[in-house]
Amino acid sequence: NAGVMQNPRHLVRRRGQEARLRCSPMKGHSHVYWYRQLPEEGLKFMVYLQKENIIDESGMPKERFSAEFPKEGPSILRIQQVVRGDSAAYFCASSLNQGVLKGGTDTQYFGPGTRLTVL
Amino acid sequence: DAKTTQPPSMDCAEGRAANLPCNHSTISGNEYVYWYRQIHSQGPQYIIHGLKNNETNEMASLIITEDRKSSTLILPHATLRDTAVYYCIVRVPQFYNQGGKLIFGQGTELSVKP
Repeated sequence: NAGVMQNPRHLVRRRGQEARLRCSPMKGHSHVYWYRQLPEEGLKFMVYLQKENIIDESGMPKERFSAEFPKEGPSILRIQQVVRGDSAAYFCASSLNQGVLKGGTDTQYFGPGTRLTVL
Repeated sequence: DAKTTQPPSMDCAEGRAANLPCNHSTISGNEYVYWYRQIHSQGPQYIIHGLKNNETNEMASLIITEDRKSSTLILPHATLRDTAVYYCIVRVPQFYNQGGKLIFGQGTELSVKP
């Protein structure tokens, strides 16, 4: 059972360009989360999606950032007009769509991350 | 989600048990305790979780006090590869349309030494 896959693993962009980060969840998982880790800082939640729906985007910057999780294909985190402050590691996690399994808990499994460098 | 308190760093000798404490004095009745770790700059790795009973899996054991205000993660025979930042997180279970995000604190930086 393949784990969460993210690509590219490393991405270099110049200021003003667009960055697209992809996340393929584990097989059978329909919940996807994006987190960001700025240099020397902790992991911060950005957005939580289910297929074709954004459930919680409370951690997303108001401008330039968007996320989607279409019916088919990977989840995409899109950053428009990147700035140097966007340089960070972006991690995706996935979990099962479950009602009340094992006491109603869920577990998020993380991918290896995409390291974005903005020049 | 309740806040947690962990020591910023700990050392452990290789082959010995590593006991990582976590305080979560404001935990509510429906919140679970989760442990993750992050080795260097890799993606966080799930370790274990529990509600009120002690739990054990192939990686670690989780001991939760009876009042649930604190817990301890135990790595029974630490190896050099266990050197990582360990995060204790408390959260309600994920149900449809009720979020589910993980809130990471600063964690404990565990150094396993030969």
